[in-house]
Amino acid sequence: DTGVSQDPRHKITKRGQNVTFRCDPISEHNRLYWYRQTLGQGPEFLTYFQNEAQLEKSRLLSDRFSAERPKGSFSTLEIQRTEQGDSAMYLCASSHPGLAGGNTGELFFGEGSRLTVL
Amino acid sequence: AQSVTQLGSHVSVSEGALVLLRCNYSSSVPPYLFWYVQYPNQGLQLLLKYTTGATLVKGINGFEAEFKKSETSFHLTKPSAHMSDAAEYFCAVIFSGGYQKVTFGTGTKLQVIP
Repeated sequence: DTGVSQDPRHKITKRGQNVTFRCDPISEHNRLYWYRQTLGQGPEFLTYFQNEAQLEKSRLLSDRFSAERPKGSFSTLEIQRTEQGDSAMYLCASSHPGLAGGNTGELFFGEGSRLTVL
Repeated sequence: AQSVTQLGSHVSVSEGALVLLRCNYSSSVPPYLFWYVQYPNQGLQLLLKYTTGATLVKGINGFEAEFKKSETSFHLTKPSAHMSDAAEYFCAVIFSGGYQKVTFGTGTKLQVIP
């Protein structure tokens, strides 16, 4: 399978613990996105990488959240000192640029990592 | 402010009936427009998109959408619903400027009644 893969698929943790999610994008895609989705809501943008450069971060992303893409391939999203409000599905997506280098809008999503904070 | 709105969080149709899912955007410059679908326990996938050119766009599984600039709308339709269409549908946009992130609506869950 050459799609976007995310690990773990489910994570249950206690409040105050740190968690880390990993995303492996489609290999030829240089753009990688993290979104968060809660029940009854659409995906909310968190952050975006082009190759290893983090180009944009949402104001939703507090200081407890950090994302990396060290070699321009896989990415990690770490949440420190988790809170119950962090419970959500964390989605990763990848894409390749359009002919003019712009965003084609065609994102390829993984199945998500569901976080439950007790 | 730029925004995307989906009217109706839940829509129920009978099998064989017309499907109409509504999406409106708020922007002074027409954005790029998309519909994504999320089947149960699966990741989101692109259904169709409008960037430039023909305003009636055809997608997978018999769905189509029409960009109407005067109404700032991009409603999704399918003439005849099938049971397999039951899913959650998200309208999404790329507004001009910035790094062109994809902004999603809140979603509409489609139920198809046999």
